[in-house]
Amino acid sequence: GNSVTQMEGPVTLSEEAFLTINCTYTATGYPSLFWYVQYPGEGLQLLLKATKADDKGSNKGFEATYRKETTSFHLEKGSVQVSDSAVYFCALSQGAQKLVFGQGTRLTINP
Amino acid sequence: DAGVTQSPTHLIKTRGQQVTLRCSPKSGHDTVSWYQQALGQGPQFIFQYYEEEERQRGNFPDRFSGHQFPNYSSELNVNALLLGDSALYLCASSFIPGSKADTQYFGPGTRLTVL
Repeated sequence: GNSVTQMEGPVTLSEEAFLTINCTYTATGYPSLFWYVQYPGEGLQLLLKATKADDKGSNKGFEATYRKETTSFHLEKGSVQVSDSAVYFCALSQGAQKLVFGQGTRLTINP
Repeated sequence: DAGVTQSPTHLIKTRGQQVTLRCSPKSGHDTVSWYQQALGQGPQFIFQYYEEEERQRGNFPDRFSGHQFPNYSSELNVNALLLGDSALYLCASSFIPGSKADTQYFGPGTRLTVL
C-alpha cells in the first residue's frame, strides 16, 4: 500500500539557518503530495502541495519539489524563524483523496 | 469565509461509554474525512463521507461509525470506548472527490481522553 517516510526528529536549528526535512513515498502511479504544519494545540494547516512530477510547491518561504525519479518531496526553507517551530507532516493522496501521512518531524528554532 | 469547525474542543469519557464528535465543513465543500491522531503520531484515516454515504474507510473497527447530513456536516461516533481511543480527532473537508486539484482542509480537532 501507499506509505510516507519522513526524516526522524526532533530537529533543532538556530534562527536564520537553512532547513531541510526529508520525505520519501511509496505509491503506484502519480499521487498528489502535501506538506502540512501543526502548531501546538492546533489542527493541521496546509503548507504547500504539488500534484505532478517536477511541480514545485511554495508558501511562506518554504519549498518542495515533486521528484518522481527519487520518489521524494523534501521540504526546504532558506532562513528559518522562531515562529516556524512546529510539527511538519508530509502526506500523499491518490484517487479517492484518502491522505496518508508520515510520522511527523518536530522542528524547534532557537533565537 | 468560515473554515472547518469541530465540537467539542475537549472531551473526557470513561471506558465503555459512547461519544459523538461533530464537524462542519468549510463553506462550499461537500466531502468530509475523519482522522485519528495519537500522541506523537501522524493522523490515521478513519473514513470519508460524500453525498451522505461512507465513501472510503480505513482500518478501524465497526465501533467507529459516522454520518453526513444534507447540509454536509458530519458526526463521528465511537462506541464501547477503549483507553486506546484517546487521541486528537481531526475532521477535514474538501470538494470534488478524487480530483487531483483538490485539497483537504482541517479543523482544530477534538481532544478525546478515555479514562
